[in-house]
Amino acid sequence: DTGVSQDPRHKITKRGQNVTFRCDPISEHNRLYWYRQTLGQGPEFLTYFQNEAQLEKSRLLSDRFSAERPKGSFSTLEIQRTEQGDSAMYLCASESGNTIYFGEGSWLTVV
Amino acid sequence: AQKITQTQPGMFVQEKEAVTLDCTYDTSDQSYGLFWYKQPSSGEMIFLIYQGSYDEQNATEGRYSLNFQKARKSANLVISASQLGDSAMYFCAMRDNYGQNFVFGPGTRLSVLP
Repeated sequence: DTGVSQDPRHKITKRGQNVTFRCDPISEHNRLYWYRQTLGQGPEFLTYFQNEAQLEKSRLLSDRFSAERPKGSFSTLEIQRTEQGDSAMYLCASESGNTIYFGEGSWLTVV
Repeated sequence: AQKITQTQPGMFVQEKEAVTLDCTYDTSDQSYGLFWYKQPSSGEMIFLIYQGSYDEQNATEGRYSLNFQKARKSANLVISASQLGDSAMYFCAMRDNYGQNFVFGPGTRLSVLP
């Protein structure tokens, strides 16, 4: 499979716990994006990497959120001290030309 | 700021019929791209079609075509010969050629009836 892969696909966590999501983009795609999507809404931009450099962060990305792409390949998105409002699907995407290609998303439920 | 509007929360279409999903956008940029994505219940966002603001021809990809009316700032998706597998959420998105992130609309849920 040469698409964008995300892990885990589903995560249920207690409020206050930390969670980490991983994204493996399509190989040779330099740009990588994280989006968040809640039920009934379109995806909202969180952050963007060009290789290992994090070039843009949305205001949605509070201090509890951190994203890394240490070697310019896979990326991680960590949420610390989770809150119920963090429950959403977290989508990763990588870019070729003008188009971004999404993974299947990681569903987070905070209970 | 860029904004995408999709006024149809839900649409129904009979199998084998054509359907148009509406999308209007707001931007002050002259150079931008418009996209449509399909999201089935599994969650994956599937790229369908792209239209550049300077493209003179409407984009087509198989059964998908984009009815681009620049003066009206609309980029409607037309799906011909609907299939049951077309039932999904459909999102219109745009990106200016200077920025990096995509702005998505709220989506339209399409249901294809047998």
